[in-house]
Formats: sequence, C-alpha cells, structure tokens
Amino acid sequence: NAGVTQTPKFQVLKTGQSMTLQCAQDMNHEYMSWYRQDPGMGLRLIHYSVGAGITDQGEVPNGYNVSRSTTEDFPLRLLSAAPSQTSVYFCASRPLAGGRDTQYFGPGTRLTVL
Amino acid sequence: KQEVTQIPAALSVPEGENLVLNCSFTDSAIYNLQWFRQDPGKGLTSLLLIQSSQREQTSGRLNASLDKSSGRSTLYIAASQPGDSATYLCAVRSGGSNYKLTFGKGTLLTVNP
Repeated sequence: NAGVTQTPKFQVLKTGQSMTLQCAQDMNHEYMSWYRQDPGMGLRLIHYSVGAGITDQGEVPNGYNVSRSTTEDFPLRLLSAAPSQTSVYFCASRPLAGGRDTQYFGPGTRLTVL
Repeated sequence: KQEVTQIPAALSVPEGENLVLNCSFTDSAIYNLQWFRQDPGKGLTSLLLIQSSQREQTSGRLNASLDKSSGRSTLYIAASQPGDSATYLCAVRSGGSNYKLTFGKGTLLTVNP
C-alpha cells in the first residue's frame, strides 16, 4: 500500500512549456484533489474530482487542466507554464462517504518556472 | 468565505514544555477540522480529525479541541520533544463547500534540546 504517490519530485520549466504532474493512489478513494502551496498563502485548492469522469474547479484553476479516467490516477496539466506557477504542488485523496474523511497527501512536486 | 487563522506563526520552546497551538475560523458551519504536520520539504501528515459534533480528539501526546460556536480549535502537545519540530497546519471542511479544505498558514514549531 503506497498511499498517494506523485511524480516528478522536482521540475524546472521554461515559460510557455507544458507538462503533466502525475498523481496516483492505491486506496480506492473516490475523492482526489490538487493543491498548491506558496509562502505566505497557505494551501489553495486547484481542482478536484469525486470519481472517474467527474472533475470540478477549486479556487485557483486558471492555467491548469485535469482529467480523471480511472479511480487511481489524477494528473494535473500545465498548459503554458508561467513564473506565477512556481510552487509546490500536492495531490490528496480521501474516501467520499462515511464522514470520517482523513485526507492523505502525497510528498509533493516542487516546480520552478523560469 | 471561510478563513482560517493560526496563531502564533512561529513558536520556539525548550524540550519538555507543554504547548498550545491555536486555530480560528470565521464560518462555524463546518463539517470537520483536521490538524496536519508538515516536515521541511515533505508532504502533509494527518494528526487528528475532529468531527463537528465532537469536542476533542486525542492521540498519544496530542490533544485537539474544538469549540465550533466560537470558531476555535487548539492543539495541545504535552512534553514536547525535538522530533516535534515541524509546521502544524489546521484545516476545516466547511458545510457549505463539501469538497474543499480551507487551510491556515501554519505554525512553525521549534523544540530546542
């Protein structure tokens, strides 16, 4: 049971480049989400999904796309990277039902956009 | 809009001291509140989750309380150890936004040997 895994751990991009941050979980959780963490800003929700084929926007979705084709995977795509997207990105998952919904976080991807 | 504030932003204590971290939130219509620990360069680890109907939760030397009506939670750490040094984050799941956690900015705790 690996929990929530993220790849890569570190990435440097040039402005305008595109890339995909990978996230996978092996706990059969319906709910998955992406956050970004910036100094002085705390963690902010980018996108989330409540199951395969269902995604929705969080509070800072601009410049990012997501899809959810399987329960396990929830990739985050940067369409045209900008320096403002330099951040640490965390993927999280939890069960959707039951209420006792501890969130499990991945180790993060540290992205620098030059 | 839910806002979460954590005080203090940083705290330095000698080993063995008992300490309290504070979290306040503006909208009392929460579903639950969760305390996380984050080590430098690492992800978040859940410490305690308190449902809105509960008053407190305990795990080892950690005790978290919740006063929903006043919009406050505290994390009590007993007999602190250098290994407790980390950033502690409070997050609330609001009743009006069932899928979003709103995070505070965290308290950076340093326990000195």
